[in-house]
Amino acid sequence: AQTVTQSQPEMSVQEAETVTLSCTYDTSESDYYLFWYKQPPSRQMILVIRQEAYKQQNATENRFSVNFQKAAKSFSLKISDSQLGDAAMYFCAYGFFGNEKLTFGTGTRLTIIP
Amino acid sequence: NAGVTQTPKFRVLKTGQSMTLLCAQDMNHEYMYWYRQDPGMGLRLIHYSVGEGTTAKGEVPDGYNVSRLKKQNFLLGLESAAPSQTSVYFCASSSGRNTGELFFGEGSRLTVL
Repeated sequence: AQTVTQSQPEMSVQEAETVTLSCTYDTSESDYYLFWYKQPPSRQMILVIRQEAYKQQNATENRFSVNFQKAAKSFSLKISDSQLGDAAMYFCAYGFFGNEKLTFGTGTRLTIIP
Repeated sequence: NAGVTQTPKFRVLKTGQSMTLLCAQDMNHEYMYWYRQDPGMGLRLIHYSVGEGTTAKGEVPDGYNVSRLKKQNFLLGLESAAPSQTSVYFCASSSGRNTGELFFGEGSRLTVL
C-alpha cells in the first residue's frame, strides 16, 4: 500500500522568509502524481501545486515550488516570501495513474510570525 | 459555479442515531469520494465511486454506507452513530481523466455524543 509521511507536525516562519515543508512517500508504481493541498482555518481544501512523476522539472506556482526527488521518494514544498495568508495546514498527497484516489499525509501546520 | 456542496455543515448526534450527509457536484465529474479528517491522522478515504450506480470501499469503511443513484450526488450514511465517528467529513470529486486532482467541498463537522 502507498504511504505518505509528513514528519513535521508544526512549522513556523517569519513573514517574508522562506520555509520548506517535507514529504516522503512509498510506492511501487512508476506513473503517479503528487500534490500539496492547503487547508486554511476556513477548512476548505485548496490545491497549491501538482507534480507528475514522469516530469523531471520541478513544478512552480508563483511563490510555491517543489523539490521532487523521485529516487529518494521525496517531495518537499518551498514557500518563498511567506505571507500571513499562507498560515494553514498543508497536506501532501499521492495518487497514481488509473486509480484516481489520493492518499494523504498527516499534515503540517504552518504558522507565519509577523 | 458551486463546485462541490455538502449538507449539512454541522450536526450533533446521539449515539445510535442515524443520519445522511449529502454531497452534490455540478462539474459532471465521474468520480466522487468521502474522506474523514481527524487530528494527527490527515484525511482517510471512507468510500468512493467511479460512476453512477457504483461504490467501493476505501481505507476506513466500517460503520458507513454510501449510494450514488445520480451522477451528481454521493450520499454518506451512518446507520448507528458512534462517538468514534466524531470527525470532519469531506466530499470530493474528480473528472477521472488521469489528472489526479480532487475538488473538495467545505466539510461537514459531525459530533456524536
